[in-house]
Amino acid sequence: KAGVTQTPRYLIKTRGQQVTLSCSPISGHRSVSWYQQTPGQGLQFLFEYFSETQRNKGNFPGRFSGRQFSNSRSEMNVSTLELGDSALYLCASSPQPTGQSNQPQHFGDGTRLSIL
Amino acid sequence: KQEVTQIPAALSVPEGENLVLNCSFTDSAIYNLQWFRQDPGKGLTSLLLIQSSQREQTSGRLNASLDKSSGRSTLYIAASQPGDSATYLCAVSEYNFNKFYFGSGTKLNVKP
Repeated sequence: KAGVTQTPRYLIKTRGQQVTLSCSPISGHRSVSWYQQTPGQGLQFLFEYFSETQRNKGNFPGRFSGRQFSNSRSEMNVSTLELGDSALYLCASSPQPTGQSNQPQHFGDGTRLSIL
Repeated sequence: KQEVTQIPAALSVPEGENLVLNCSFTDSAIYNLQWFRQDPGKGLTSLLLIQSSQREQTSGRLNASLDKSSGRSTLYIAASQPGDSATYLCAVSEYNFNKFYFGSGTKLNVKP
């Protein structure tokens, strides 16, 4: 069974640009969560989607947005990139939303975003 | 607001030692708790998940315990090996609240 796939693995952008990251969950998983990981802040929750609906959103500015498609694949978009957006962006999938399932979360290897 | 703390931040032990990693959380009304392992440049791998009604879970050389009333969990690693070197993170979820709260992790180094 294929794991969670995130593309691209590495991305270099400049300030002011925008970026789209993609996450393909494990087959049959309908819940996808996104986290930002930095050395200073650790893992910070961005948003969670289930069946194309955003179920929860973290404390990030409106420049961060996401969506989920009917096949459960998810994308997140960051507009007007800032230096502080440099981070590892991780997505996780599970059959049901967090807090409603005792199935473990499965994470992808992340997208490393560097802003110059 | 739920806060998760992991102590120590880093730990270095010789191969073969048994060790304990600690995780504490401020709100005992959790749904479940998960322990993860993260290797450098990689995502998180789920090690053990403990439901709120459970006291412990075991997988191979790993044993995780949960004391919900005191807001604590421990991850016990028996007979540590160099391959166990990684960062270990714990995370808690709350019923019907769609996010995990993560600790900042314990970076483990097992010396050959």
